[in-house]
Amino acid sequence: KQEVTQIPAALSVPEGENLVLNCSFTDSAIYNLQWFRQDPGKGLTSLLLIQSSQREQTSGRLNASLDKSSGRSTLYIAASQPGDSATYLCAVGTNAGGTSYGKLTFGQGTILTVHP
Amino acid sequence: KAGVTQTPRYLIKTRGQQVTLSCSPISGHRSVSWYQQTPGQGLQFLFEYFSETQRNKGNFPGRFSGRQFSNSRSEMNVSTLELGDSALYLCASSLRWSDATNEKLFFGSGTQLSVL
Repeated sequence: KQEVTQIPAALSVPEGENLVLNCSFTDSAIYNLQWFRQDPGKGLTSLLLIQSSQREQTSGRLNASLDKSSGRSTLYIAASQPGDSATYLCAVGTNAGGTSYGKLTFGQGTILTVHP
Repeated sequence: KAGVTQTPRYLIKTRGQQVTLSCSPISGHRSVSWYQQTPGQGLQFLFEYFSETQRNKGNFPGRFSGRQFSNSRSEMNVSTLELGDSALYLCASSLRWSDATNEKLFFGSGTQLSVL
């Protein structure tokens, strides 16, 4: 059974700092890994999707890496801003013999606070 | 293009009642997935529908059911509500979510269900 863990559970940083969020998963038979952002009481916004054959993806100030063999991914946020404050969730799609439709396994998230 | 729309935004019910939640996917998306989010368990997969057929189901009791219509809109129903069903219910859509897909999931803002 796939399990996803995110460290740290919460992070508070001053504006302008570069930061790294960590995600680990137990089953390396994944087909993709996605990073999402969730604002309080809202739905999830997809930030980056890394295919299992890829090592990293970049979008603006965000860079996500994937090391499938070690079961790890990191989300790097450069020059953080107060508007980056949110919960960041890591989710993996796991190959499960044809029963993977629609199913991602999520970590518990990292609550990020960027203070001015 | 309009995003994923979920109605209602908030619901308050009492134990034993039943509830129906609605989800309209992004135009052209035919796969609809449902997730339950609680502070204790995080995000958990309920089920996925494609072309009016349930293709995948999570580990939830039979009180949780769903359906999809020919226009890809989906509903989920929870019967005999329990206090523990209080949660944010999120709907997500994607084009077709073929097995081992590299499609992103697009989430709605969710329905916040409170069971008293």
